[in-house]
Amino acid sequence: QPVLTQPPSSSASPGESARLTCTLPSDINVGSYNIYWYQQKPGSPPRYLLYYYSDSDKGQGSGVPSRFSGSKDASANTGILLISGLQSEDEADYYCMIWPSNAWVFGGGTKLTVL
Amino acid sequence: EVQLVESGGGLVQPGRSLRLSCAASGFTFDDYAMHWVRQAPGKGLEWVSGISWNSGSIGYADSVKGRFTISRDNAKNSLYLQMNSLRAEDTALYYCAKSAGGMIRQKPDYWGQGTLVTVSS
Repeated sequence: QPVLTQPPSSSASPGESARLTCTLPSDINVGSYNIYWYQQKPGSPPRYLLYYYSDSDKGQGSGVPSRFSGSKDASANTGILLISGLQSEDEADYYCMIWPSNAWVFGGGTKLTVL
Repeated sequence: EVQLVESGGGLVQPGRSLRLSCAASGFTFDDYAMHWVRQAPGKGLEWVSGISWNSGSIGYADSVKGRFTISRDNAKNSLYLQMNSLRAEDTALYYCAKSAGGMIRQKPDYWGQGTLVTVSS
């Protein structure tokens, strides 16, 4: 199965924006896949946030604020989760996920610290 | 409200077997695919297995293929994971997750609290 690369950690201050990345291996084109994002807080199961394929094909999870959004950087073969107007409650681990073929694959996760 | 309650975890010796269960409620169970996803202590998420609404399509991660078997009983609103030939690296919190639709290629959207499996002598 392919490896999705996420930076182990990221940090930003309240009110700022956080840009979390998920890089696909070079033999898988990010443009061909839905990129799914999950949030996990300590001691809790993952929570589905959203998916992004394109600006015309995307979806928000139930109850997920609009300040969470997705995008792609095709030149970097990367999926992006953007969190604007950071709040202390956004401090969590964030995982990306794709379905390349016959199995779900998760990235290693990014721990977001809100300073 | 979707509720998923896992059970069956515990301490087991390497090479032995364990069967996990997941009791589902709050949705029409037989309309949706289901998944098992695990998380080793302090580590990330790993999809283990998925089963379509009618058990017609089943998938496994390479790491468990041939050792684990997923099944469901739609009459009992229950999902199962039979784990054989357990290894130390199978130690993890095992989550039951509901799919967004009837096929396993549809994303997991709701998760239980998990049941802990520890493989150790």
